[in-house]
Amino acid sequence: EADIYQTPRYLVIGTGKKITLECSQTMGHDKMYWYQQDPGMELHLIHYSYGVNSTEKGDLSSESTVSRIRTEHFPLTLESARPSHTSQYLCASRGGEDTGELFFGEGSRLTVL
Amino acid sequence: GQNIDQPTEMTATEGAIVQINCTYQTSGFNGLFWYQQHAGEAPTFLSYNVLDGLEEKGRFSSFLSRSKGYSYLLLKELQMKDSASYLCAVKDSNYQLIWGAGTKLIIKP
Repeated sequence: EADIYQTPRYLVIGTGKKITLECSQTMGHDKMYWYQQDPGMELHLIHYSYGVNSTEKGDLSSESTVSRIRTEHFPLTLESARPSHTSQYLCASRGGEDTGELFFGEGSRLTVL
Repeated sequence: GQNIDQPTEMTATEGAIVQINCTYQTSGFNGLFWYQQHAGEAPTFLSYNVLDGLEEKGRFSSFLSRSKGYSYLLLKELQMKDSASYLCAVKDSNYQLIWGAGTKLIIKP
């Protein structure tokens, strides 16, 4: 069973609010990822990190930011939420094994009114 | 551009066999993954193929043909709990995952 946790699971907020989605893993994985997924659509990579103090933007243009101060923690922050940010956000991690299997958290479903 | 194609939805009967196809066009290839995702839950890893051929794991098998840019996931002895979306993903030349939109599999009694 994967040890990767996301909070909150569900969040409903108003436009303009600042929010942080938390992601923590206890597997000691260096590589961590944030994906955005809308119903029936593919996962889109918005940010990733290959280790402490390393962060990169993914393919999907995003107004969010991330930080990686500790190996186990990879929070995602939206400074000013908009209705277009309504989506499911999935955090994932992987170790250095050959298959590169991703372990996913249970997701944070965000609704911006 | 990079592209992963899989059927949007499939229906099968409990106890039967179903094959879910995936075709891809990517810049480079470093492996293909299949993940299962139940509604409202996170994706979970099913299989990984990097060489041509069939990989069998219990009721699930995955096949890859790199020359054809093609893979399939074969599910045998279908159970109601197999109702889920099945996601195909390819690792490209930069070792980034390109995801398909998923195939929603509906199992009927």
